[in-house]
Amino acid sequence: AQSVTQLGSHVSVSEGALVLLRCNYSSSVPPYLFWYVQYPNQGLQLLLKYTSAATLVKGINGFEAEFKKSETSFHLTKPSAHMSDAAEYFCAVSESTAGSARQLTFGSGTQLTVLP
Amino acid sequence: EAGVAQSPRYKIIEKRQSVAFWCNPISGHATLYWYQQILGQGPKLLIQFQNNGVVDDSQLPKDRFSAERLKGVDSTLKIQPAKLEDSAVYLCASSRGTGTSYEQYFGPGTRLTVT
Repeated sequence: AQSVTQLGSHVSVSEGALVLLRCNYSSSVPPYLFWYVQYPNQGLQLLLKYTSAATLVKGINGFEAEFKKSETSFHLTKPSAHMSDAAEYFCAVSESTAGSARQLTFGSGTQLTVLP
Repeated sequence: EAGVAQSPRYKIIEKRQSVAFWCNPISGHATLYWYQQILGQGPKLLIQFQNNGVVDDSQLPKDRFSAERLKGVDSTLKIQPAKLEDSAVYLCASSRGTGTSYEQYFGPGTRLTVT
């Protein structure tokens, strides 16, 4: 069975500082991995995804994540935080099911606060 | 392209009452998902449709929850009777297909409060 653990339910960074949001996964087969962002009162928006191609994945808004199989990790980073990055971030993993329909399992989320 | 539409955005009901949520996916999207997001947790899949057929409803509490997508377009999710623990945001998502190359697009959600 697949699962995702996000370390740190709340992360605070200063504007301009490095953003690092941690995600570790468990999967019995090579996984597909995703990062989503959720702004208040809005649905989730895909930031980036890993689908077994390049291990360093670049997404929207300057975010990127690196797949490390040996560490079963897929941490999200951004070199310089902006006030508009304040939101909740979810890591998700996907495996094939018996019906070949890949379903998402989400972590519990990390609330990012950006301080002026 | 219009996004995934959901209504109502907010609903407050008393326990043991019934409630229904509506979702209209992006035009042309064959796959539709309903998720439950409890405060402080990530979304949990309740049910997945491919056109008007159910792909997976293994996590849907079928004694009180039901969902349908009769014409393969819009969908309704119903809770009857509601319990306090059903308080959550119910998210609808859609995608062109079921493969991972197809991105899931999420609606804004319906926030349900059961008192």
